[in-house]
Amino acid sequence: DGGITQSPKYLFRKEGQNVTLSCEQNLNHDAMYWYRQDPGQGLRLIYYSQIVNDFQKGDIAEGYSVSREKKESFPLTVTSAQKNPTAFYLCASSPGFSGRKETQYFGPGTRLLVL
Amino acid sequence: AQSVTQLDSHVSVSEGTPVLLRCNYSSSYSPSLFWYVQHPNKGLQLLLKYTSAATLVKGINGFEAEFKKSETSFHLTKPSAHMSDAAEYFCVVSDSLGSSYKLIFGSGTRLLVRP
Repeated sequence: DGGITQSPKYLFRKEGQNVTLSCEQNLNHDAMYWYRQDPGQGLRLIYYSQIVNDFQKGDIAEGYSVSREKKESFPLTVTSAQKNPTAFYLCASSPGFSGRKETQYFGPGTRLLVL
Repeated sequence: AQSVTQLDSHVSVSEGTPVLLRCNYSSSYSPSLFWYVQHPNKGLQLLLKYTSAATLVKGINGFEAEFKKSETSFHLTKPSAHMSDAAEYFCVVSDSLGSSYKLIFGSGTRLLVRP
């Protein structure tokens, strides 16, 4: 079964703690993305990666970090510098970066809550 | 810069009646437009996309959308609502991001289907 998996489904963060959200895809897609969703709002882009070992900041990258060591994996770390991390985090991938017609496919999401 | 406006935050219909979810876009060039659906605590699923081919786009689950350049609209419709259609719907436009692109999301429309 091809798709995008995210884990865990729910994650709790204590004050001052870094936490890492996992995103794995077996679609052989080159590009991967992380979005944040807050209640009643659309999605906002945190980071994206066009290819292995390369990634770029999106609109709201402050307080987050990523890595792309393997094509299949794009983990997101929410650092202690992110003062308001409570949100629903969605990972997506697309076949490539060939243009604006590219479709992005989404994982099931991780809900991050602050204790 | 591209943008989308979803004109209704909530829409309520009776089962078996038509659905209309409204979306206006702003674009300086021919846009790529998408509709995604999100069921509670789930990821996003692509319903349909417009990429400058036919202006009437058919999607999954009986949904369709019509691109109207003169009105800068891309409204989503379905002839007969089903209980399983209750979800949040996002209108999305693709925007340039340096040498690549990103998705710009509307704020979403929550569809309620009454029995």
